[in-house]
Amino acid sequence: AQSVTQLDSQVPVFEEAPVELRCNYSSSVSVYLFWYVQYPNQGLQLLLKYLSGSTLVKGINGFEAEFNKSQTSFHLRKPSVHISDTAEYFCAVNNDYKLSFGAGTTVTVRA
Amino acid sequence: DVKVTQSSRYLVKRTGEKVFLECVQDMDHENMFWYRQDPGLGLRLIYFSYDVKMKEKGDIPEGYSVSREKKERFSLILESASTNQTSMYLCASSSGLPAYNEQFFGPGTRLTVL
Repeated sequence: AQSVTQLDSQVPVFEEAPVELRCNYSSSVSVYLFWYVQYPNQGLQLLLKYLSGSTLVKGINGFEAEFNKSQTSFHLRKPSVHISDTAEYFCAVNNDYKLSFGAGTTVTVRA
Repeated sequence: DVKVTQSSRYLVKRTGEKVFLECVQDMDHENMFWYRQDPGLGLRLIYFSYDVKMKEKGDIPEGYSVSREKKERFSLILESASTNQTSMYLCASSSGLPAYNEQFFGPGTRLTVL
């Protein structure tokens, strides 16, 4: 079964600084990877996904992620964060007919 | 605009009560999901439905059941609520192959069982 591990549970960051959220997946064929974001008191929404093709994936709100097969990673990055990026971020991978989610990374952006 | 709604944002129930959580989507999606979200554990799939009257167990189905009588509505039932079912419950829907396509989430129901 496929699974993901999010390596950081909490990431504090100052406004306008870059941020990287780390996600590693278990090795397997036909990997499809996702990043979702959950703003306070809301449901999750899709930031970006990798199904195939270019390993650099661009998403909404200035986020991007890079699929690295040799390191089995799918790290999420943003070059300059805003206060409004304060949220919980979830990495997910296809697992048979469903998605398996990581434990989440809470990003707190401070002025 | 795509929308998934859940019947309650907050719910408080007593141990042993039968609890119904309702979810409605307006996107004509075939697939609907119920997840449980707990701190440090992320989202765990309880049940999944890929069509009316069809259901599949997820990772943690024990203590729960589901009902899907209409395409737009997916209900989660706690037959006899227990304190360890205190959690945030998220409903989602999607079209096509569930492992590949975007899932759209509702705002969640925070359930407290006393």
